[in-house]
This record gives sequence, structure tokens and C-alpha cells, in this order.
Amino acid sequence: DAGVTQSPTHLIKTRGQHVTLRCSPISGHKSVSWYQQVLGQGPQFIFQYYEKEERGRGNFPDRFSARQFPNYSSELNVNALLLGDSALYLCASSPSWSYNEQFFGPGTRLTVL
Amino acid sequence: GDSVTQMEGPVTLSEEAFLTINCTYTATGYPSLFWYVQYPGEGLQLLLKATKADDKGSNKGFEATYRKETTSFHLEKGSVQVSDSAVYFCALSSGGTNAGKSTFGDGTTLTVKP
Repeated sequence: DAGVTQSPTHLIKTRGQHVTLRCSPISGHKSVSWYQQVLGQGPQFIFQYYEKEERGRGNFPDRFSARQFPNYSSELNVNALLLGDSALYLCASSPSWSYNEQFFGPGTRLTVL
Repeated sequence: GDSVTQMEGPVTLSEEAFLTINCTYTATGYPSLFWYVQYPGEGLQLLLKATKADDKGSNKGFEATYRKETTSFHLEKGSVQVSDSAVYFCALSSGGTNAGKSTFGDGTTLTVKP
């Protein structure tokens, strides 16, 4: 079975631009979470979505938003990019919103110039 | 709130040496505990987990025991290999409404030299 997939793999943007990152969960998984991993640090939780509804939100500004589609795939959007948004963005899926173990994708490397 | 503290790295060992990476946590209730490994340029792979006190997670020669009394989940391996070189993350999930939110430590970089 295919694991969690993310696109694109790498992305370069300039300050002030907008970016959309995409994630497809493992087949049958209904929960998707997004994390930001800045170089040299552990991943930081951004959002969890389950059944197209937001279930949790981390301490990130409103420039960050996400949504989940009927097929359980998800998009993370970031507006008005800042240099500090440069990071690896990880998507993780799990079978349900209350399932503790998460399965991570390879990530999207975003560089903001 | 929840937090995870890992021993600072980097850690450099010779092949076949014994490995310990310390991890302590702060959480409400009874979290599940995890160790993830990240190879260069890749995402996170689950290495092992433990869901209740005194549980021992193990995989690929790595072990960690859930110690509630010391709020710790130290990672150990008896004999490391060059292929174990990677970044290791300790993490917890408090479960329930926070199940989809994992809290991670800052990672420990392990380099194993032949």
C-alpha cells in the first residue's frame, strides 16, 4: 500500500507570496495533521483535520490555513510568506481522530527568499 | 502544556558501541510515547512506541521503556551500526481530543563511525 504522499517535494518562493502544499493520506485514513519542522528543531503541530473539519490548531498565525477534501486529502495554505516560514512541512495521517500513532509523509521543503 | 526534552547532541559513537539517548516528558494524563528516526532528506519513520506505563517498545535492536515514575522514555541500543546514523526524535501524544497532535523533542543527531 502507498504511504502518505506530499507534493511538491521542493518549493522556492519569495516574501509576500502565497503557497499551497498538498497531502494524500494512506488509503482508509481519515485524519490528517500538518507539522512545520524548522532546521535543527523538532516538528511543531499546525493543524489536524478529520472528516473535513478542523480538530486542532497549533500556535500559528492566521496566515496559515488548511482544508480537507471528501477523499480525505488535504491542503495547507500559507499567505504573505515570511523568511521564517522556510521549513520542512510534514503531513501525517491516521485512521481516526483519536488514534495516537501517526504515519508521516516525506515532507515538502519550502524555501522563502 | 505538553513538552518533551531530549539530551542535546550531537552524539558520535564508534560502531558496536552502546547507545543511550535520554528523553523526559511533561504531560497531563497518560500519554503514548514514541521514538521516530529521520534520515537525511526524508520524513519521519516510527521506530518504536509504548502506550502505557512499564511498556517496553522495541524494533531493530532499539528499546525504550515507559517510566511513569521518572517521566522518561530513554532510547537504547546495545551495538550501533553505521547505518543507524540519523536524527532521533522523542515524541508524545496525549490521546483523546489531542490524539492528532504529537509533541516532539528537538531531536538528537547520532553519527556512528566505522
